[in-house]
Amino acid sequence: GAGVSQSPSNKVTEKGKDVELRCDPISGHTALYWYRQSLGQGLEFLIYFQGNSAPDKSGLPSDRFSAERTGGSVSTLTIQRTQQEDSAVYLCASSLGGQTNYGYTFGSGTRLTVV
Amino acid sequence: QKEVEQNSGPLSVPEGAIASLNCTYSDRGSQSFFWYRQYSGKSPELIMFIYSNGDKEDGRFTAQLNKASQYVSLLIRDSQPSDSATYLCAVNPGAGSYQLTFGKGTKLSVIP
Repeated sequence: GAGVSQSPSNKVTEKGKDVELRCDPISGHTALYWYRQSLGQGLEFLIYFQGNSAPDKSGLPSDRFSAERTGGSVSTLTIQRTQQEDSAVYLCASSLGGQTNYGYTFGSGTRLTVV
Repeated sequence: QKEVEQNSGPLSVPEGAIASLNCTYSDRGSQSFFWYRQYSGKSPELIMFIYSNGDKEDGRFTAQLNKASQYVSLLIRDSQPSDSATYLCAVNPGAGSYQLTFGKGTKLSVIP
């Protein structure tokens, strides 16, 4: 597509429920990133996918978080047993290739609220 | 711990003035530097990137890099109210690295 597409744009969930967030990167972009932005905080790296290589999961905050990328395109970030501290905007980004010489293009984000 | 530091602001400038946004980084080996603009409730948008020491100009925006001082700045000339946003500095720590480290951003307010 023309840009990075994320869905849903907003999600309100009850504490303890599981949620899935979806990202569709720019067509042809092999690298995909998930970041989290909490109120008043900077962008926090979560996970990185590049082609068919094993993902870099080093930023995932706990084992309740997981992500997959099917067919080298669409990615799903899953949060199990959500907690209130998971409330944040989850941003997906993609880039052409694995080197960020030209920066990322971000999607519009999913605002997650855990009540 | 690789860090990117920015003054959180708010930085207020009158319309038509030059806005100067500053960023320092801790990793001396950092290779490339980015400025993103983020309007309230929106996602970050890349506006400038710079790799080499010196100035890089694009329209009303000038990015300045001083690797010896580990300092990067963004100048916005003839500031407009539409420039009011949070500006995020991001650093690529090295060749072949894919992860950007972001500062927390500086909030700019351009007063009409």
